[in-house]
Amino acid sequence: DVKVTQSSRYLVKRTGEKVFLECVQDMDHENMFWYRQDPGLGLRLIYFSYDVKMKEKGDIPEGYSVSREKKERFSLILESASTNQTSMYLCASSSYRVANTEAFFGQGTRLTVV
Amino acid sequence: QQQVKQSPQSLIVQKGGISIINCAYENTAFDYFPWYQQFPGKGPALLIAIRPDVSEKKEGRFTISFNKSAKQFSLHIMDSQPGDSATYFCAASYYTGGFKTIFGAGTRLFVKA
Repeated sequence: DVKVTQSSRYLVKRTGEKVFLECVQDMDHENMFWYRQDPGLGLRLIYFSYDVKMKEKGDIPEGYSVSREKKERFSLILESASTNQTSMYLCASSSYRVANTEAFFGQGTRLTVV
Repeated sequence: QQQVKQSPQSLIVQKGGISIINCAYENTAFDYFPWYQQFPGKGPALLIAIRPDVSEKKEGRFTISFNKSAKQFSLHIMDSQPGDSATYFCAASYYTGGFKTIFGAGTRLFVKA
C-alpha cells in the first residue's frame, strides 16, 4: 500500500514562529509537492521538487521555503508564521519515470496560526 | 494561462441522477487531465484521468468527456449515490523538469438520498 505520510494532522502555532511541516513517501518517487487548500481556491501549489536538493517555486511561494535532502522526504518551512498562513497543507508525490503522472497525497496538516 | 477553471462550486444531485462538473483550461502544453476525489479528512485521490488524444474515457459510473478544440473537459457521474458525496477537483499536468499539476478550485458534490 503506497503511502505519503505527513508528520502532523493538526498544528497550532503562534505568529512569528518558525514552522516545519514534514512529508515522507515510500514509493521512491522523484517528484514531491506542497499544496495549500483553502475553500473556494482549490489546491494551490507552493513548491515542488523533482530531485534531491532541487526545488521549483509554485504559484504561491511567498513566505515559504522547502528542503529536500533525501529523496523520500520533503519539508515545508514557514520562516515566520502569519495568520494568513492558516490553512490545510497537503503533500503529494508522483513518479517522474512513468507516463501516468498520478499524484499520491498525504492526509493533510491543518495549521492554525494564532 | 496556467489556470484551470472549474464549475460549479457546489452541486446537489438526487440519488440516481447525473452529476456533471466542468473544467476549462488555456495552456495547450497540458497533456494529462486527471480528476481527484476528496472525502472529508482525507487527501485527494485519483479518480479517473484522460490524455488529449481521446475524447472520452469511462470507468464504471464515471466518464470524462474531453473537447480539445474547446479546451474543456468534464466529469459525468451516472446514477449518483450518496457515497459519491465529496469534493471533486479537475486538474491538468504538463512537463517542466518534472510534471507540474494545476488544480481547479473544486466542486463540493452532495447526493441526496
